[in-house]
Amino acid sequence: QKEVEQDPGPLSVPEGAIVSLNCTYSNSAFQYFMWYRQYSRKGPELLMYTYSSGNKEDGRFTAQVDKSSKYISLFIRDSQPSDSATYLCAMSSGTSYGKLTFGQGTILTVHP
Amino acid sequence: SQTIHQWPATLVQPVGSPLSLECTVEGTSNPNLYWYRQAAGRGLQLLFYSVGIGQISSEVPQNLSASRPQDRQFILSSKKLLLSDSGFYLCAWSAGQGFAEAFFGQGTRLTVV
Repeated sequence: QKEVEQDPGPLSVPEGAIVSLNCTYSNSAFQYFMWYRQYSRKGPELLMYTYSSGNKEDGRFTAQVDKSSKYISLFIRDSQPSDSATYLCAMSSGTSYGKLTFGQGTILTVHP
Repeated sequence: SQTIHQWPATLVQPVGSPLSLECTVEGTSNPNLYWYRQAAGRGLQLLFYSVGIGQISSEVPQNLSASRPQDRQFILSSKKLLLSDSGFYLCAWSAGQGFAEAFFGQGTRLTVV
């Protein structure tokens, strides 16, 4: 079993839709949770960073962490075609010199 | 502000040839540095990390090696490339223990032919 599971999709939504992306994990030591956006042939770009459980909002993006269920989510409101990318969840225990464990990534397409 | 540079962007190399990919970070000192590999349609796999000059830790056995000759320089090397070394290689940095976010370069797409 992988430490981090993420549905690879692909996910296709119309412009303006609310997008929900999710990851589950098995390592209870994870305390830091991140979402990265990766455009084709580019390096991942950090979108959201959350410590422990709770919600964090930044513009159209909301990250949720439920440590009791070992489940994290990223919501994108009012999705735009420019949001079309691969979204990667990543996690760290914080004691491993910043080493991240990644999900497989979800391919998202937002069509006009 | 901090920036990370990685080059080259694309590389095609024959089997058995050597490899050297370079990564440099600006605007920070004593960063943790990382090399990841991303296979097509897959997540990122950590290959090496470094917490200081000359300090290299390997995560998986492989045909590659890494070196950190200067504080903000990280190099990925191979003496003889294999077909299985093809992939998208990403360098990243983080601010050290207690800071979990990592910031990535733009990657090198390596094709071994």
